[in-house]
Amino acid sequence: KAGVTQTPRYLIKTRGQQVTLSCSPISGHRSVSWYQQTPGQGLQFLFEYFSETQRNKGNFPGRFSGRQFSNSRSEMNVSTLELGDSALYLCASSSWPRQGHEQYFGPGTRLTVT
Amino acid sequence: KQEVTQIPAALSVPEGENLVLNCSFTDSAIYNLQWFRQDPGKGLTSLLLIQSSQREQTSGRLNASLDKSSGRSTLYIAASQPGDSATYLCAVTRGGATNKLIFGTGTLLAVQP
Repeated sequence: KAGVTQTPRYLIKTRGQQVTLSCSPISGHRSVSWYQQTPGQGLQFLFEYFSETQRNKGNFPGRFSGRQFSNSRSEMNVSTLELGDSALYLCASSSWPRQGHEQYFGPGTRLTVT
Repeated sequence: KQEVTQIPAALSVPEGENLVLNCSFTDSAIYNLQWFRQDPGKGLTSLLLIQSSQREQTSGRLNASLDKSSGRSTLYIAASQPGDSATYLCAVTRGGATNKLIFGTGTLLAVQP
């Protein structure tokens, strides 16, 4: 079974631009979550989706948004990029709400804002 | 508000040693606890998942225990190898309508050959 895939793997953007990151979950998983990882703040929850519905959102400004498609693939968008948005963005998929809820992460997208 | 702490922040051991990593959480109302490893610049690899009703889980040289009442989990690594060098993270979920993971601060492990 293929794992979680994220594209692109690396991105360099300029302040003020916007960016879209993509995540394809493990086949059969309908729950997708996004996390931001920075050296200073560690791993912080962005949002989670199930069946195209956002179920929960972390404490991030409205510049951060996401969506999930009917095939469970998810995208997140960051508009008006700031230097502080430079981070590793990780996507996780899970069999939630089925038993177990073990979460599997993708390799991440490294975003650098200059 | 749930807070997860990992001690020590960094650990260096010689190859072959057995070691224990610690994870503490402030709210015992968790649904499960998961241990991950992360290699530099990479994603997270799931190591073990412990449901709140379980006391421990084992996978190969790894054994994770959970004591919900005291808000603690340990990850035991037997006969450590240089390939075990990585950052180890624990994370808890509350359950119910959310699958959100609340992560600890991580332990950076270096196994010296």
